[in-house]
Amino acid sequence: DAGVIQSPRHEVTEMGQEVTLRCKPISGHDYLFWYRQTMMRGLELLIYFNNNVPIDDSGMPEDRFSAKMPNASFSTLKIQPSEPRDSAVYFCASSLRPNDYGYTFGSGTRLTVV
Amino acid sequence: AQSVTQPDIHITVSEGASLELRCNYSYGATPYLFWYVQSPGQGLQLLLKYFSGDTLVQGIKGFEAEFKRSQSSFNLRKPSVHWSDAAEYFCAALKYNNNDMRFGAGTRLTVKP
Repeated sequence: DAGVIQSPRHEVTEMGQEVTLRCKPISGHDYLFWYRQTMMRGLELLIYFNNNVPIDDSGMPEDRFSAKMPNASFSTLKIQPSEPRDSAVYFCASSLRPNDYGYTFGSGTRLTVV
Repeated sequence: AQSVTQPDIHITVSEGASLELRCNYSYGATPYLFWYVQSPGQGLQLLLKYFSGDTLVQGIKGFEAEFKRSQSSFNLRKPSVHWSDAAEYFCAALKYNNNDMRFGAGTRLTVKP
């Protein structure tokens, strides 16, 4: 298995632009998570899906952030419009059964908003 | 409030020396506990996990962790550190039947030659 695949690995964009981050979970994993990592706040859960349905989006910072999972093999995290304070590393993770196996993380997308 | 605390931000050890990274949790009931390692520019890799049973858990790369309920701790250990162990280590907790895994702030490990 190729693991959790995220793209792009790095993204540099100008303030005000739309940014879309992509994630392909491990095949068969029913859970998908989006995390954000910053020096100040560490790892924060933004949103997670179970069977393609958003279950908890209470960690999404504000309306500029949105996430979708149109099918079991693909999810996007969109920021529109982007701001410099959105600069962070965004991780996607997936799991078959979190309580039994924990999560498998992707390599992350480093986002820089200038 | 549920939380995971890693008291040490940065630890430096000599290659070949033993290592212990501390982790404390604050939950109403014992959560599931995990240790992850993150190398620079990489994602988080699971080292080991504790759900129940034997309180000494073996993981990959020669790591082990001991769960101590009385101290609400889950410390990570390695008898002899290798230079390749230099990385950031995260302790995490997951409440039963809940999918919000909480992470500690991380401990950065530096290995001296």
